[in-house]
Amino acid sequence: QQQVKQSPQSLIVQKGGISIINCAYENTAFDYFPWYQQFPGKGPALLIAIRPDVSEKKEGRFTISFNKSAKQFSLHIMDSQPGDSATYFCAASLMNTGFQKLVFGTGTRLLVSP
Amino acid sequence: DTGVSQNPRHKITKRGQNVTFRCDPISEHNRLYWYRQTLGQGPEFLTYFQNEAQLEKSRLLSDRFSAERPKGSFSTLEIQRTEQGDSAMYLCASSSTDGTQYFGPGTRLLVL
Repeated sequence: QQQVKQSPQSLIVQKGGISIINCAYENTAFDYFPWYQQFPGKGPALLIAIRPDVSEKKEGRFTISFNKSAKQFSLHIMDSQPGDSATYFCAASLMNTGFQKLVFGTGTRLLVSP
Repeated sequence: DTGVSQNPRHKITKRGQNVTFRCDPISEHNRLYWYRQTLGQGPEFLTYFQNEAQLEKSRLLSDRFSAERPKGSFSTLEIQRTEQGDSAMYLCASSSTDGTQYFGPGTRLLVL
């Protein structure tokens, strides 16, 4: 019940295209859903996050869509650029508890071709 | 740089040796987390500190692992009698009370 399932495992998108990464969770108590971007040899960097009281959040070219009833959320990267090539992780946690352990998906390796 | 820092960035050790990693969180953050990431996987939670108190430990944290945060600032993670299966990236993250976690660059451990 603590798992977060992420797909696809890898993704190739042409420059200017839309990259879409999907995640599904089981624990309905999760109340915080961040996305992290990780470059090789670096730590994960927070990209964007959403709470379940909204269905969509947009920051620049990055959008999270959230479907509470389906227990799914997704990351959309508009106008994808070669610099976006990285591994993306979705995660979930219980923000309203005393501590917020992040449960991560298995990651999506994105390659944006020039 | 006011982000989370970790030292060393890389560590190569022989099986059976002890290793210690250090994490310096963002200065105003009272919460500190350790995660482990193996190749091709997402980070997995190891342990959590609020100030100097260690409040949660994963079952992944065997008896050979110990973490401390003595003054509620920096933290250390020690692995005793290292095994080849301990080879991984060890990540530290910190947060304020809002819970948003910011990660350091990690320490990559290779056990030969």
